[in-house]
Amino acid sequence: GESVGLHLPTLSVQEGDNSIINCAYSNSASDYFIWYKQESGKGPQFIIDIRSNMDKRQGQRVTVLLNKTVKHLSLQIAATQPGDSAVYFCAEILGGTALIFGKGTTLSVSS
Amino acid sequence: NAGVMQNPRHLVRRRGQEARLRCSPMKGHSHVYWYRQLPEEGLKFMVYLQKENIIDESGMPKERFSAEFPKEGPSILRIQQVVRGDSAAYFCASSPRISSKVNTGELFFGEGSRLTVL
Repeated sequence: GESVGLHLPTLSVQEGDNSIINCAYSNSASDYFIWYKQESGKGPQFIIDIRSNMDKRQGQRVTVLLNKTVKHLSLQIAATQPGDSAVYFCAEILGGTALIFGKGTTLSVSS
Repeated sequence: NAGVMQNPRHLVRRRGQEARLRCSPMKGHSHVYWYRQLPEEGLKFMVYLQKENIIDESGMPKERFSAEFPKEGPSILRIQQVVRGDSAAYFCASSPRISSKVNTGELFFGEGSRLTVL
């Protein structure tokens, strides 16, 4: 089975709300994670990454939280905008050579 | 500085034909990854190549699929005798170095090649 997965396939929010997208991983040895955004018909786009020696990392309007105890990863998007509508994937490095992706969460932002 | 370029963007093949997908990495990048994405699914790793070398092909189907990254020119993903189940989006990503625990693992993805097998 897959090592990385997401809790919910879809998430609908109102413009201006904060969004939280969750991801669970099963490989306790994983120590590097990345969030990607994929818009319809396009390739994945890097959002933010985090290493296991960190619990939290912030970017512009986005925050990634890592809970190694329960092997849980989350992406928080502040003041969600219609342009944030996309599929979001969490991914991990396994074996140092490849990213393993979960199935993705589709974020829909309504005005 | 052009991004990762993939072509064709869309390819239609009949069962039994061959499909060739090309990927030109970003300038200065010598590491290329191929992923497959089925509808409504996440990306599945297929193969990781450096110039003239296949580093990890653990995600490649054992038959009909092959990949290369020659010294000159783009990386090629080749699918022989395509079947309907090969219909998917194939994404290429490049990196300037190994996506390891030490280095930044950010990959730059192309727009993908969408293969439809009739």
